[in-house]
Amino acid sequence: SAVISQKPSRDICQRGTSLTIQCQVDSQVTMMFWYRQQPGQSLTLIATANQGSEATYESGFVIDKFPISRPNLTFSTLTVSNMSPEDSSIYLCSVDKDRVYGYTFGSGTRLTVV
Amino acid sequence: AQKVTQAQTEISVVEKEDVTLDCVYETRDTTYYLFWYKQPPSGELVFLIRRNSFDEQNEISGRYSWNFQKSTSSFNFTITASQVVDSAVYFCALSEARGNTGKLIFGQGTTLQVKP
Repeated sequence: SAVISQKPSRDICQRGTSLTIQCQVDSQVTMMFWYRQQPGQSLTLIATANQGSEATYESGFVIDKFPISRPNLTFSTLTVSNMSPEDSSIYLCSVDKDRVYGYTFGSGTRLTVV
Repeated sequence: AQKVTQAQTEISVVEKEDVTLDCVYETRDTTYYLFWYKQPPSGELVFLIRRNSFDEQNEISGRYSWNFQKSTSSFNFTITASQVVDSAVYFCALSEARGNTGKLIFGQGTTLQVKP
């Protein structure tokens, strides 16, 4: 299965600022996925990032708030823009590299907005 | 629309007890995948199992077993002889196979506490 390196692992940010989260995969993958997990909640898909095209956002998520880059087949970034305390969550990236092992997730970024 | 329901919000057991986590799903697709993930307090998601809709065989892996029943749209997870290290949040998830969108729909999760 794929190995994902996600950075930063955690951060505390001031409201109104932006944070960029990076995910590096150890092999080429077509699609990368970004999820949000609000405190005590389940995971919700933010967007799907394909290399060479704009990301596809789920209902309730917009590009201005969560811009995504996918410059190559092993790397993607998610930016959380103009943050408010409601953005405090765990953000995870994921790939579906191996059909047997299913989706692999990064270790997550625990974001606290103060 | 696809949906995953984990009706048990929290379960507390004493070590060595058996425990079953329930998962019920809804989908109009005939081909789909079901998953279980474990999320320990550290926050990472640990893959436990993936099952496609055409494989209804029950799966056993050590102390873990899964019961997939299409007739009741359920994919339940049993831990035998639970241990304190099993304490975590467990998520059931569903993915469609058509269109290759790769989207995972998660249930709300079941928090399992295993007491010594």
